[in-house]
Amino acid sequence: EVQLVQSGAEMKKPGESLKISCKGSGYDFNTHWIAWVRQMPGKGLECLGIIYPRDSDTTYSPPFQGRVSFSADKSISTAYLHLSSLGASDTAMYFCARRGLCRGGSCLDFWGQGTLVIVSS
Amino acid sequence: DIQMTQSPSSLSASIGDRVTITCQASQDISNYLNWYQQKAGKAPKLLIYDASNLETGVPSRFGGSGSGTHFTFTISSLQAEDTATYYCQHYDSVALFTFGPGTKVDFK
Repeated sequence: EVQLVQSGAEMKKPGESLKISCKGSGYDFNTHWIAWVRQMPGKGLECLGIIYPRDSDTTYSPPFQGRVSFSADKSISTAYLHLSSLGASDTAMYFCARRGLCRGGSCLDFWGQGTLVIVSS
Repeated sequence: DIQMTQSPSSLSASIGDRVTITCQASQDISNYLNWYQQKAGKAPKLLIYDASNLETGVPSRFGGSGSGTHFTFTISSLQAEDTATYYCQHYDSVALFTFGPGTKVDFK
């Protein structure tokens, strides 16, 4: 069974940094891109970017370029989202999701449970 | 950038009703269009991929159609557990995964 399990909720202060993990199981983690998706409170879904765990090739969505970074440790089938200089606007649910086998790899077929990040002084 | 719009933004329906949601792309995207269901407090779930293909395990009352710029998502007979927000989504190599604004479905 394919699963993506994310790290737990985080409460941070403005200016702090954060790393969220996403561990895959039940499939070859190295051969599927992982996407990171943000959902601000009461809002829709926004893709931050994607990472290919095998070689850590990364593409960031233009609005988020320079504001987030990704990494991966293929030895433990885990991808990471790094957020720095946190502000109140980073308060959101963050999801990882596997890029699926649909045409052109254009879908996200399995999702992590989400990690809630709250930034507050 | 390709923009995705959805209509309506919300709807109320009764059990057994046929529900239809539309998604419009700002330019031709062939059939690179997927539909997701997100229940409150949960992760999104892929329902329909490549505009009209039902993801494994998804009930057959869900369906999708369309190509080019106009797409339709249908629930043929609304069930209680279908209360959720539904998103369309397109992928391209620049903007990556772009989601529509969502349609919230609840009961009358």
